[in-house]
Amino acid sequence: QVKLKESGPGLVQPSETLSLTCTVSGFSLTSYSVHWFRQHSGKRLEWMGRVWSDGDTSYNSAFTSRLNISRDTSKSQVFLKMNGLQTEDTGTYYCVRHWLGPRYYYFDFWGPGTMVTVSS
Amino acid sequence: DIQMTQSPSSMSASLGDRVTITCQASQDIGNNLIWFQQKPGKAPRPMIYYATNLANGVPSRFSGSRSGSDYSLTINNLESEDVADYHCLQYKRYPLTFGSGTKLEIK
Repeated sequence: QVKLKESGPGLVQPSETLSLTCTVSGFSLTSYSVHWFRQHSGKRLEWMGRVWSDGDTSYNSAFTSRLNISRDTSKSQVFLKMNGLQTEDTGTYYCVRHWLGPRYYYFDFWGPGTMVTVSS
Repeated sequence: DIQMTQSPSSMSASLGDRVTITCQASQDIGNNLIWFQQKPGKAPRPMIYYATNLANGVPSRFSGSRSGSDYSLTINNLESEDVADYHCLQYKRYPLTFGSGTKLEIK
């Protein structure tokens, strides 16, 4: 049974670093990639970045150099770290499984999301 | 970045109605588009893959179509459980980009 679940601090002080963990089960991180998305108060979803099945990463340039995504395949965990948090980083953060099927890409399983509030 | 212009931003319809939501891509994305349904407090759920393919478990009253750079999600015979936000996602090029979402309500 495929599952993803985000975990994190909930509340982060402005200018500090956000650390989130996505713990997956039912599949291997060496066979599937995992993406991070976020959403502000039910608004437009935003792609943040991803770690591919081979460990390669790519990021949305909107986050410039303040975002890092990594993984620990032995623990089936993917990590998101983003520094310099501001109030506009408040939102719900999702990790999502991604893979290439016979004909097209799938973003098929999503974590329930974790709410992050940036506030002093 | 590829811009996805989604319309309408909100709409209300009656049970049994046919509803259409549209996304327009600013560049060619082929059929590399997914439609998601999102209910309050929940994660998005994929409904349509590759512009026209129904995802597993999605009722057949949902369908997707493409005309040039315009992509549509149609719901036939609207049911109360279809009340949700709907989002389109293009994955032709990074960064992946979404439409601004459509809030669908029942009259």
